[in-house]
Amino acid sequence: NAGVTQTPKFRVLKTGQSMTLLCAQDMNHEYMYWYRQDPGMGLRLIHYSVGEGTTAKGEVPDGYNVSRLKKQNFLLGLESAAPSQTSVYFCASSYLQETQYFGPGTRLLVL
Amino acid sequence: RKEVEQDPGPFNVPEGATVAFNCTYSNSASQSFFWYRQDCRKEPKLLMSVYSSGNEDGRFTAQLNRASQYISLLIRDSKLSDSATYLCVSLGFQKLVFGTGTRLLVSP
Repeated sequence: NAGVTQTPKFRVLKTGQSMTLLCAQDMNHEYMYWYRQDPGMGLRLIHYSVGEGTTAKGEVPDGYNVSRLKKQNFLLGLESAAPSQTSVYFCASSYLQETQYFGPGTRLLVL
Repeated sequence: RKEVEQDPGPFNVPEGATVAFNCTYSNSASQSFFWYRQDCRKEPKLLMSVYSSGNEDGRFTAQLNRASQYISLLIRDSKLSDSATYLCVSLGFQKLVFGTGTRLLVSP
């Protein structure tokens, strides 16, 4: 099992560009999450999903959209990137809410 | 006030030392608690769950004090490989809330 994978691993964007981060899990988990991690701020939940076709807002959803069209995939979109979205993005999945398995992260730099 | 608060450290200890971290939480409705470990530039991984009765996993002991709303992690006989950031986590409604982490540096 690959567990949780994220694509891409690293990306540089210019302000105003758009991009989609892909998260995939092969553990048949219902729950999936997108976090961002910034120095001194810890992990903050952007959006999450409790099952295929469902999404919900987390703590810092503004500027991001998500979709969960297939159970194994959770996409995070940035429609118009801003320098404030420079961060490390982690995807996670879980069978129950407790034990979350994280992907390796995507490092995003917005210039 | 953050929902989960931790001392950021770093805690610098020699190999073989015992070190303890505390974490406080503000949401009395939180149901479950955990410690995650995060190595530099890596993803967080579950270290252990925290139960009211306390639980132990080898050199690691975690305890929960609901009355005072704090969680602790004790590491005995520290190893160089224990150097990492330890994240205190509480489970709210449908989601985990992470503390900012406590950094531990174990030196030879």
